[in-house]
Amino acid sequence: SAVISQKPSRDICQRGTSLTIQCQVDSQVTMMFWYRQQPGQSLTLIATANQGSEATYESGFVIDKFPISRPNLTFSTLTVSNMSPEDSSIYLCSVETDYEQYFGPGTRLTVT
Amino acid sequence: DAKTTQPTSMDCAEGRAANLPCNHSTISGNEYVYWYRQIHSQGPQYIIHGLKNNETNEMASLIITEDRKSSTLILPHATLRDTAVYYCIVRDLNAGGTSYGKLTFGQGTILTVHP
Repeated sequence: SAVISQKPSRDICQRGTSLTIQCQVDSQVTMMFWYRQQPGQSLTLIATANQGSEATYESGFVIDKFPISRPNLTFSTLTVSNMSPEDSSIYLCSVETDYEQYFGPGTRLTVT
Repeated sequence: DAKTTQPTSMDCAEGRAANLPCNHSTISGNEYVYWYRQIHSQGPQYIIHGLKNNETNEMASLIITEDRKSSTLILPHATLRDTAVYYCIVRDLNAGGTSYGKLTFGQGTILTVHP
């Protein structure tokens, strides 16, 4: 298993600003993922972030809007740039280990 | 990935078994059935996965039909803390490149356990 923490747990941000979300894992993992969960909706994968390579983004998500860093095997950041109210969501990171994915508690973002 | 179909919601009495069905009629031979749940305001939690044999762990049992077109997640003695959204996902563990590890979440089943 893996224990994942995220910072911040929640934030309220103004339109046009950016927020960087941190994800820390208690063990070294190769594969890390970032998901978004809009209010009342299911989870949608934003991108896959493997250490040592560029993040791979899903359709509808672009690097300029959601830049991701993966400096080592236990840490990653997701930045939500130039925010609008439509970016209000829960953002979750997850890691893959032994064919199981473990999720962080999420960051609840509200954009006003 | 193949799509799954789950009932929108289900109810269960505390202490009874909760049986959550999932249809995945277009599942391919390489795709596994995974179950996750999401308790309110928390990240999803892995429950169990299987290919074609029935599986059991400390949380639940997974029953997969012989033709693999459907499965049932069984919580043997449901408690109030099992109230959550349950997601059935099919996943190809042999997928390479950018497809590996990708989980496609549907809307899931809202399970409500009543006292």
